[in-house]
Amino acid sequence: QLVLTQSPSASASLGASVKLTCTLSSGHSSYAIAWHQQQPEKGPRFLMNLNSDGSHRKGDGIPDRFSGSSSGAERYLTISSLQSEDEADYYCQTWDTGGVFGGGTKLTVL
Amino acid sequence: EVQLVESGGGLVQPGGSLRLSCAASGFTFSDHFMDWVRQAPGKGLEWVGRTRNKANSYTTEYAASVKGRFTISRDDSKKSLYLQMNSLKTEDTAVYYCARIYSSSWYCDYWGQGTLVTVSS
Repeated sequence: QLVLTQSPSASASLGASVKLTCTLSSGHSSYAIAWHQQQPEKGPRFLMNLNSDGSHRKGDGIPDRFSGSSSGAERYLTISSLQSEDEADYYCQTWDTGGVFGGGTKLTVL
Repeated sequence: EVQLVESGGGLVQPGGSLRLSCAASGFTFSDHFMDWVRQAPGKGLEWVGRTRNKANSYTTEYAASVKGRFTISRDDSKKSLYLQMNSLKTEDTAVYYCARIYSSSWYCDYWGQGTLVTVSS
């Protein structure tokens, strides 16, 4: 069964960079994922689709500060030059026999 | 501009039914697969189900937790997506989002703002 694992929380200072991780369960390291951002009290927003080779397609209007990369079963979302509005929950998503979401990472901007 | 607007949420008793709607605009609705995703209070996102487009025979798929109780349908002429929810349980309490699937791919690239469904006596 495909499972996506995310750390529950992360924090970084205003203006710094942070790297969030989404780990695919054993046997699924070739799967692509999508990253979504959910700011407080809002619906989710698509950030990017990220393939196993690190190639990615960003959503409309997503700043260059957001980038993705991959290594083995891990998929990363890097946010540089952190701004206060980046404080949000971040979810990874993939598809197997149905939709699968990771548990989400709550990012705090200090 | 792509817009997805959900409606139809509210308070319903356990065992009851509710029908959610999602009005789409700003894109060719009939071309796209569409998902329903929910979020229980204070919890993460949970995939509910998917409907594909006419070219893929409008096939549907559901999460195990709702299969047999929920039905997804669509009316391409009205650019609308629906979620019929029957035999509701307290654990179905959540904000329900509709989401567009990118280009017959598999991932959501636009989301609505959600509608709250509360199942309680």
